[in-house]
Amino acid sequence: NAGVTQTPKFRVLKTGQSMTLLCAQDMNHEYMYWYRQDPGMGLRLIHYSVGEGTTAKGEVPDGYNVSRLKKQNFLLGLESAAPSQTSVYFCASSYSLVNSGPYEQYFGPGTRLTVT
Amino acid sequence: GENVEQHPSTLSVQEGDSAVIKCTYSDSASNYFPWYKQELGKGPQLIIDIRSNVGEKKDQRIAVTLNKTAKHFSLHITETQPEDSAVYFCAASIFEAAGNKLTFGGGTRVLVKP
Repeated sequence: NAGVTQTPKFRVLKTGQSMTLLCAQDMNHEYMYWYRQDPGMGLRLIHYSVGEGTTAKGEVPDGYNVSRLKKQNFLLGLESAAPSQTSVYFCASSYSLVNSGPYEQYFGPGTRLTVT
Repeated sequence: GENVEQHPSTLSVQEGDSAVIKCTYSDSASNYFPWYKQELGKGPQLIIDIRSNVGEKKDQRIAVTLNKTAKHFSLHITETQPEDSAVYFCAASIFEAAGNKLTFGGGTRVLVKP
C-alpha cells in the first residue's frame, strides 16, 4: 500500500494564479482532510470530507475549494492564490466511526506551496 | 470551538533523560486525544492516543496521561534517544462527531543531545 500520496511536492505560484492539489489514498478510508501547517501554529483544518460526494468547511476554509468525486481522491483548489496561502499543505485520511475505529489519521508527505 | 495549547514550544534533553510535553484543551466534550510525531520533511505520524474513559496509556518508552477535570493531557518519553528528536503535536476531538475533526496544539520541537 502506498498509503496517502500528494501531488505535487513543491509549487511556486504568482499572486492570482490558480492550482489544484491532489490527494489519493489506497486504504478505503471514508474520511479525508486537508490541513495547512504554518510555523508555530500547528496544523489547521481547511476542509474535510466524510464520504464520496460530500465536503465540509474546517477552521480556515476561506480562499479554498475542495471536491471528492471518488472515494480515494480529495482535491484542494486555490482559485486566486494570495501570499497568505504560502504554507505546507497536508492531506490525511481515516476510517469512519462505522468501522469502530481505530481513528488514526494517516498523513501524506505534504506539498510546499509558495505564493509570490 | 476547541482550543488546544501546547507547552513548551522547544525542549532540549540529554540522551537517556525523560521528556514531558503538556497540553490543555477548552472543550469539555472532547474525548479523543492523539499525539503525533513529525520528522523533518515528512507528514505527522500517530505515536499514541488516549480516550477520555482512560487515565493513562503506555507503549514501551512513551506514555500519555489525561486529567479530564483539569482538561489537560501530557506526553512522557522515557530513556530518550537521538531518534526521538522531532516535532510533537497534541490534538483533541470528539471522535463520534462526523469527521472526527482534530484541533492541534502548536507543536513542541524536541532535541535529544547525545
